[in-house]
Amino acid sequence: AQRVTQPEKLLSVFKGAPVELKCNYSYSGSPELFWYVQYSRQRLQLLLRHISRESIKGFTADLNKGETSFHLKKPFAQEEDSAMYYCALSGSSGGSNYKLTFGKGTLLTVNP
Amino acid sequence: NAGVTQTPKFQVLKTGQSMTLQCAQDMNHEYMSWYRQDPGMGLRLIHYSVGAGITDQGEVPNGYNVSRSTTEDFPLRLLSAAPSQTSVYFCASSFRLDQPQHFGDGTRLSIL
Repeated sequence: AQRVTQPEKLLSVFKGAPVELKCNYSYSGSPELFWYVQYSRQRLQLLLRHISRESIKGFTADLNKGETSFHLKKPFAQEEDSAMYYCALSGSSGGSNYKLTFGKGTLLTVNP
Repeated sequence: NAGVTQTPKFQVLKTGQSMTLQCAQDMNHEYMSWYRQDPGMGLRLIHYSVGAGITDQGEVPNGYNVSRSTTEDFPLRLLSAAPSQTSVYFCASSFRLDQPQHFGDGTRLSIL
């Protein structure tokens, strides 16, 4: 079974401080991992996927297979980063069908 | 430039009523899915489809039906609404499950 754990429901930082949103996963194969972001009352949108290894809006995420983690990081948080962040894993559940599993989300608040 | 379109945006139902949430995409995506979003629970998969004529259950399918007669449309039916189904419902689509998901704006549903 595949599982995604985001241990922090809420995370509050001050503007300019570094931020790290944690994501751990459980999966036996090679996962596809994503970070999605949802700004207040907007639709979810893709922020990052591990395969692209790019930085979006200053955020980066590195897949650590040894620690089964895909933490999202930004060196200097901005107020406009305040949003709900979801980590997601795409993988096969043992058969031929892939499933996308989301974590419960972390609400990030960046204070002025 | 429509992407994924969900209707209605808001709906209030009485317990026992039935209704259909509509989802349409114009990107020729094979994969479509329905999620519900509840506070503290993140996104939970209700049903999904890997192509026209093919549907399968997700994590929380009870009380919901789906069908996929065309590639574009993936309606979600509530058979007999219950207060526990009060939630925000999101439809998503992608070419494949290991590709980024495109989400609709959501339907905010209240069951009284």
